[in-house]
Amino acid sequence: DAKTTQPTSMDCAEGRAANLPCNHSTISGNEYVYWYRQIHSQGPQYIIHGLKNNETNEMASLIITEDRKSSTLILPHATLRDTAVYYCIVRLGNQFYFGTGTSLTVIP
Amino acid sequence: DAMVIQNPRYQVTQFGKPVTLSCSQTLNHNVMYWYQQKSSQAPKLLFHYYDKDFNNEADTPDNFQSRRPNTSFCFLDIRSPGLGDAAMYLCATSLGGNSPYEQYFGPGTRLTVT
Repeated sequence: DAKTTQPTSMDCAEGRAANLPCNHSTISGNEYVYWYRQIHSQGPQYIIHGLKNNETNEMASLIITEDRKSSTLILPHATLRDTAVYYCIVRLGNQFYFGTGTSLTVIP
Repeated sequence: DAMVIQNPRYQVTQFGKPVTLSCSQTLNHNVMYWYQQKSSQAPKLLFHYYDKDFNNEADTPDNFQSRRPNTSFCFLDIRSPGLGDAAMYLCATSLGGNSPYEQYFGPGTRLTVT
């Protein structure tokens, strides 16, 4: 059973913020939400993770709703190099289960 | 640089001929994972090792086996590859435990079955 659901694809204009949503309605209290991205034919790359609070790093921001049933990854100023498949993942213990992913295309 | 290394990057095997994919890490991480990723699909967790403890996913076929002889190396054995096993195989590592450590992925091995 999928632990996360994401839109299949999204477009974003270069320089604008990209907001990628994820639903994880069955998440339990101690499960973290992780985001990775995968550029074609490469291994997934870690972006950010969180539990309850919003998080920010040099790559992105993660907004988690108060009930923790959904989250949004924000790329503040999308560039062409951000074109990739973005995966929202719920970590259960030491197991990471990938969602179906969102294919983000950044348009010049 | 510390990293996760997968060899070979491309592997061709014949239908039914056993094949082994290898993964090594210089991160000294406790946990090593194997994922299968078919074209246009998300990575699917096959199994993982926490140190020497093997954890198999319930829906991983018996055709897939794994070995971890030491902390640094982990192998994926496909005993009798079928055409449906053609995929990218990704190895990943993490520190493990209850702390929120991320996974580090290797570049993957693309397996072709002829």
